[in-house]
Amino acid sequence: QKEVEQNSGPLSVPEGAIASLNCTYSDRGSQSFFWYRQYSGKSPELIMFIYSNGDKEDGRFTAQLNKASQYVSLLIRDSQPSDSATYLCAVNTLGDYKLSFGAGTTVTVRA
Amino acid sequence: DAGVIQSPRHEVTEMGQEVTLRCKPISGHDYLFWYRQTMMRGLELLIYFNNNVPIDDSGMPEDRFSAKMPNASFSTLKIQPSEPRDSAVYFCASSGQGSNYGYTFGSGTRLTVV
Repeated sequence: QKEVEQNSGPLSVPEGAIASLNCTYSDRGSQSFFWYRQYSGKSPELIMFIYSNGDKEDGRFTAQLNKASQYVSLLIRDSQPSDSATYLCAVNTLGDYKLSFGAGTTVTVRA
Repeated sequence: DAGVIQSPRHEVTEMGQEVTLRCKPISGHDYLFWYRQTMMRGLELLIYFNNNVPIDDSGMPEDRFSAKMPNASFSTLKIQPSEPRDSAVYFCASSGQGSNYGYTFGSGTRLTVV
């Protein structure tokens, strides 16, 4: 069983809409959760991290964490064509400093 | 801050040749990670260092792969001999608080073994 699962997409949304990305993880000991954005041909870039259950907002991005359901999501409000990229979910486990990455969800924002 | 610096950006080599990838982490970061990314397998952790000491190399695929960190500002990943299935993008990343605050990735080295 993969440690971190994401829908591969592609997820296509119209400009101005909300893009919703989901991620599940298998290890209940996971404590830190990250969302990275990766443009084609570029390196992953950290956009959000969350440690506690609930919502965390940063500009147009909202991360949601539910540890009981082992579920973390990312909402992108007012989606822009510049948001078109692959979004990677990453998780680390208590006492371990390495991150496990999901396969990524590719988002396309239609103008 | 110049960020994590990797070299070369692109490397094309023939099967059987030795390949050395280089990384300079962000100054002050005490964790360094080497990842490999392919379409089929996504991002895979190969090895990581803490204060120049290898902590976990369980992701290194074979003995053909080796990594060193002789000092806090430099690390290498070597493949000898290289094979076509090693073709991938290799990323180096560094972190100043383990992974509690996420990593900063370098630009990557795209390796093609023909």
